[in-house]
Amino acid sequence: AQSVAQPEDQVNVAEGNPLTVKCTYSVSGNPYLFWYVQYPNRGLQFLLKYITGDNLVKGSYGFEAEFNKSQTSFHLKKPSALVSDSALYFCAVRARNTGGFKTIFGAGTRLFVKA
Amino acid sequence: DADVTQTPRNRITKTGKRIMLECSQTKGHDRMYWYRQDPGLGLRLIYYSFDVKDINKGEISDGYSVSRQAQAKFSLSLESAIPNQTALYFCATSDPRGEGSSGDTQYFGPGTRLTVL
Repeated sequence: AQSVAQPEDQVNVAEGNPLTVKCTYSVSGNPYLFWYVQYPNRGLQFLLKYITGDNLVKGSYGFEAEFNKSQTSFHLKKPSALVSDSALYFCAVRARNTGGFKTIFGAGTRLFVKA
Repeated sequence: DADVTQTPRNRITKTGKRIMLECSQTKGHDRMYWYRQDPGLGLRLIYYSFDVKDINKGEISDGYSVSRQAQAKFSLSLESAIPNQTALYFCATSDPRGEGSSGDTQYFGPGTRLTVL
């Protein structure tokens, strides 16, 4: 079955330290991979995506993610965390499905950045 | 978020009532989606529509129905609400044109918090 896993419900990091939010996937074919962020009382906002090309993708707010095909991972990273990065982060994969494609979301990881 | 709007933003209702959640978009996208968000479960797809004449069930469509009134409008109905439909509901849009570059990125509304008592 096609799936997306975010193994950590919550990640805690001190402001100024690097952060990593993990994502692994299990899909057939070549997936499109996404990260979205959800701030309190808001809808999800697109952060970055990998479709093809360079495995390191840069996105909004200083975030980046690395596509690792052999490990089927797409971890989200930032060199120096800000308190304002505290939010709920979702990994998503667009994969082939019966009749076309569909987007599968992970369960989400809550990031807390402490001042 | 202003490109995709949802009404109402909050709704409390009773078991057995019929509820309609509305979504409008000004992005000009053909594709629209309805998701529900529950803690620890992420987003689950209820229904999606790739154009006005195309409606498809998602993974959790039981107890829900939809209507695509126009390219810009996609409504979700709960025919007879039950307490386990208490959740946060999101509408989203995407544009398949230039899919190779957009990857079918989705754009979300602000959500509707529904409570069924």
